[in-house]
Amino acid sequence: ETGVTQTPRHLVMGMTNKKSLKCEQHLGHNAMYWYKQSAKKPLELMFVYNFKEQTENNSVPSRFSPECPNSSHLFLHLHTLQPEDSALYLCASSHTYTGELFFGEGSRLTVL
Amino acid sequence: SQQGEEDPQALSIQEGENATMNCSYKTSINNLQWYRQNSGRGLVHLILIRSNEREKHSGRLRVTLDTSKKSSSLLITASRAADTASYFCATDESGSRLTFGEGTQLTVNP
Repeated sequence: ETGVTQTPRHLVMGMTNKKSLKCEQHLGHNAMYWYKQSAKKPLELMFVYNFKEQTENNSVPSRFSPECPNSSHLFLHLHTLQPEDSALYLCASSHTYTGELFFGEGSRLTVL
Repeated sequence: SQQGEEDPQALSIQEGENATMNCSYKTSINNLQWYRQNSGRGLVHLILIRSNEREKHSGRLRVTLDTSKKSSSLLITASRAADTASYFCATDESGSRLTFGEGTQLTVNP
């Protein structure tokens, strides 16, 4: 238990569906992150929020839309995804920008 | 862009043996971190070593950092089957956000 909770743990969706991934942390951290992990590829940073403000968008397609309503919650809204978007999506938080990351267990996404 | 690169990509050892994984990086860093990931789970932070440190220990883990060679190593002593996992190094590129390598898959055979 790292203090970062992700839901759902597994999600199967069609290419025309709209779904959302949720991340919640109660560690008092200021920074939250979305990472994508595909097979045989390094962890890819997607978005960074620092004090609720998006500080980084790592050239992520617009079909992925992040939302950070407060410092404890982070969402990833998914719309018209492609099969190649199937991956493990990991949320993380940290106290400082380059400090220790606390990861959630991930949301395994399958796009049919 | 990928900063840290782990070596080897895969390592298979017997229980009780030591496991050594290496990480190389390209730019200057403030700190280097090692993480562990069990299959299909989130990453767990193991240890952080700062650029002005050369060695750090945590239980059966020993991490070294050589900034002149831009490399780090993670040593797991007296390995156990439960140590089977992927191990990643992460570096902050000149104080910016963390970037991860592709990881080393460690298998410890009972």
